[in-house]
Amino acid sequence: DGGITQSPKYLFRKEGQNVTLSCEQNLNHDAMYWYRQDPGQGLRLIYYSQIVNDFQKGDIAEGYSVSREKKESFPLTVTSAQKNPTAFYLCASSIGVEQYFGPGTRLTVT
Amino acid sequence: GNSVTQMEGPVTLSEEAFLTINCTYTATGYPSLFWYVQYPGEGLQLLLKATKADDKGSNKGFEATYRKETTSFHLEKGSVQVSDSAVYFCALKVNRDDKIIFGKGTRLHILP
Repeated sequence: DGGITQSPKYLFRKEGQNVTLSCEQNLNHDAMYWYRQDPGQGLRLIYYSQIVNDFQKGDIAEGYSVSREKKESFPLTVTSAQKNPTAFYLCASSIGVEQYFGPGTRLTVT
Repeated sequence: GNSVTQMEGPVTLSEEAFLTINCTYTATGYPSLFWYVQYPGEGLQLLLKATKADDKGSNKGFEATYRKETTSFHLEKGSVQVSDSAVYFCALKVNRDDKIIFGKGTRLHILP
């Protein structure tokens, strides 16, 4: 089945540690996105990539980094510089106008 | 700039009630419009879409009509079920390579 996978579903880290969230898609989509969602809030765009080896900052890129070495993969690193990293992180990909989402990773930093 | 405004929630209804969630937009050009649904603890799922004026998107009993004259894309369902309880996001995309713009979401609670 084609789709977007994010792993793990739940992730726990200590403050001061970097952590990388995985996002893989087998839909052959060119564009991929990372969003952050806080409780009761909408989605905020962190980074996006329209093509391999290229990516752009979204609205809240500070404290995050990404890479796009392969079409199917767009990992997100939450660095220790991110002041408030505890959130639900959603990855998405798109072709044409439609965007499809993964199941999300809930990151808790204590 | 482009933006989406949707009614604030939470919206609480009894089962079998009629549902309307309002969504209006501002956009340069001719956007495609979407409704996404998010069930608790999950990612967003595309519920329906419309790509040009007067198009009606429909899925799972939900409908929305692209109204260019009122710049609206209101979500409706004739008879809601408890299983419809979720957060609903209205969204637009103007061009293929643009970012999608989301509204803030409306939480829907359906009481049995």
